[in-house]
Amino acid sequence: AQSVTQLDSQVPVFEEAPVELRCNYSSSVSVYLFWYVQYPNQGLQLLLKYLSGSTLVESINGFEAEFNKSQTSFHLRKPSVHISDTAEYFCAVSPGTASKLTFGTGTRLQVTL
Amino acid sequence: NAGVTQTPKFQVLKTGQSMTLQCAQDMNHNSMYWYRQDPGMGLRLIYYSASEGTTDKGEVPNGYNVSRLNKREFSLRLESAAPSQTSVYFCASSRQTTTGGWLETQYFGPGTRLLVL
Repeated sequence: AQSVTQLDSQVPVFEEAPVELRCNYSSSVSVYLFWYVQYPNQGLQLLLKYLSGSTLVESINGFEAEFNKSQTSFHLRKPSVHISDTAEYFCAVSPGTASKLTFGTGTRLQVTL
Repeated sequence: NAGVTQTPKFQVLKTGQSMTLQCAQDMNHNSMYWYRQDPGMGLRLIYYSASEGTTDKGEVPNGYNVSRLNKREFSLRLESAAPSQTSVYFCASSRQTTTGGWLETQYFGPGTRLLVL
């Protein structure tokens, strides 16, 4: 079985500052990894995903995440956040041969001026 | 394209009442899912339907039933609501569950907020 740990339930940050949201996973098989974002009162949207190949994946709005197999991590980073990045971010994992996503408990990113 | 739509947006029930949450997608997706979201617990899969005519239990199926009415619609039914079912319910869909061993991206609806008194 897989599990996902997001240690930080809330991350406050000032606008234009860098941010890192941490995600660690455990699995006995190879996995696919995802970051979803949930804006207030909305459903989840896929931000980026790692399936194979380059361990560094990027989103269209400046976020990036790096798959680190030895540390079983998939941390999300952005070098300069904007107010509009305020949202809840969920890390998720799926085993390579099945269809079910296991979500972390989420990290609420609060960007202030 | 509306994507994934859910009705109702909000609902208040008394313990023991029944209700059905509706979900529809217009993306011609084969697979559909129901999740619940609770504070501090992330999203947990209740049931999913890999294709029309099939349904399977997820992580937390007890107290729920589902119906894949057709390719577009996937409903979730609470036969006898309990306070523990107070939650936000999300429906999602994907083109299919896997393609060549890769998990297909899931697209989520806006959610239904349910309060059971």
